[in-house]
Amino acid sequence: DAKTTQPNSMESNEEEPVHLPCNHSTISGTDYIHWYRQLPSQGPEYVIHGLTSNVNNRMASLAIAEDRKSSTLILHRATLRDAAVYYCILYAGGTSYGKLTFGQGTILTVHP
Amino acid sequence: EAGVTQFPSHSVIEKGQTVTLRCDPISGHDNLYWYRRVMGKEIKFLLHFVKESKQDESGMPNNRFLAERTGGTYSTLKVQPAELEDSGVYFCASSQALAGGDEQFFGPGTRLTVL
Repeated sequence: DAKTTQPNSMESNEEEPVHLPCNHSTISGTDYIHWYRQLPSQGPEYVIHGLTSNVNNRMASLAIAEDRKSSTLILHRATLRDAAVYYCILYAGGTSYGKLTFGQGTILTVHP
Repeated sequence: EAGVTQFPSHSVIEKGQTVTLRCDPISGHDNLYWYRRVMGKEIKFLLHFVKESKQDESGMPNNRFLAERTGGTYSTLKVQPAELEDSGVYFCASSQALAGGDEQFFGPGTRLTVL
């Protein structure tokens, strides 16, 4: 399974933007970049995904490097509710669709 | 629309006993997944159903674990006999499509404690 590298932890202040980086230098051409997060005592929650182009949705933005070897999840205005573990996952293409391979993720702390 | 539900939310059993976890996916979702997180470790994939068929069971740790999805609706995961190292949180997820943009919806998990 293709691997991703994320910082163990990051901190932010409420209402400030947060940029969560992810390196995936071994990404293949058919791998999608997915982000999930896990709030305390809950199951993981889908945030956003992309393939080559930058993506925006109501929760966040995903900026993908031109060579696709890294990406950044952007929370435009962090709230206390955004405190969670954020996982960057390469979702394998072709017949491998299905399982998600979670790493350790980035623990995001949001200060009031 | 109801999300993925799991039952029970907590289970405490003794080593050697049997436990059955249940997952009800979102209605209409053909794909159902089981994951677990054991103490201090990462969330690990266990298996994937497409309707009632096991698509991928490469993550099942051993033959003490048996997953079923009769009729392609809800699924059960039975652990028999349970061992101490089985303690952890078991998550179920479901998805509608199977493509690169497939979003998996997770349940709240079942916390299993084996004493």
